[in-house]
Amino acid sequence: QSVLTQPPSVSGAPGQRVTISCTGSSSNIGAGYDVHWYHQLPGTAPKLLIYDNNNRPSGVPDRFSGSKSGTSASLAITGLQAEDEADYYCQSYDSSLSGSVFGTGTKVTVL
Amino acid sequence: EVQLVQSGAEVKKPGESLKISCKGSGYSFTDYWIVWVRQMPGKGLEWMGIIYPGDSDTRYSPSFEGQVTISADKSITTAYLQWGSLKAADTAIYYCARKSSSWYGWFDPWGQGTLVTVTS
Repeated sequence: QSVLTQPPSVSGAPGQRVTISCTGSSSNIGAGYDVHWYHQLPGTAPKLLIYDNNNRPSGVPDRFSGSKSGTSASLAITGLQAEDEADYYCQSYDSSLSGSVFGTGTKVTVL
Repeated sequence: EVQLVQSGAEVKKPGESLKISCKGSGYSFTDYWIVWVRQMPGKGLEWMGIIYPGDSDTRYSPSFEGQVTISADKSITTAYLQWGSLKAADTAIYYCARKSSSWYGWFDPWGQGTLVTVTS
């Protein structure tokens, strides 16, 4: 069961900015554990997009950025492009489960 | 290049056993945890469990404890996920991934996934 809640879908026109929220609780994000983000293109494995709240791995465009505050985190995509259509997941650690947890996932649609 | 390569798709009958694999290369296999993640058809990602190939220390998500077994053979840099008796509800894509050095860290890279179909 996912303990991190994301909106099921977000959409935007090419060039626009969209944000995806990831809401947790005091046993995960609120406890100070870092949040990581992945995107999953249709039919492919997830790929790391943001690590430790706001860091981009080599090769990830700076159009992607992350932030964290309190019991929530957010992923922002600026200058939306058709290739950004994918499912996006947040991930953190949960002390009550003694393991990692994923968000419910968000489908990004480029109009 | 750090890489995880998983075994191929499987079609099994309910009640059968299965063991799928995840071979690591391009890094010191014994120094990083390997995680297993389930993705049921049309659904999200679920953390199943994790193993440290260096000493086979293994942890399971409460949702998967007793349902699967995670193991590793460091001599051939391979991690495994196995079932003793499959159910139709086990139909899913299973991914392995390498966890970063931080215990609370991220997963990168991921294997390509293994599709397991359980059908009578």
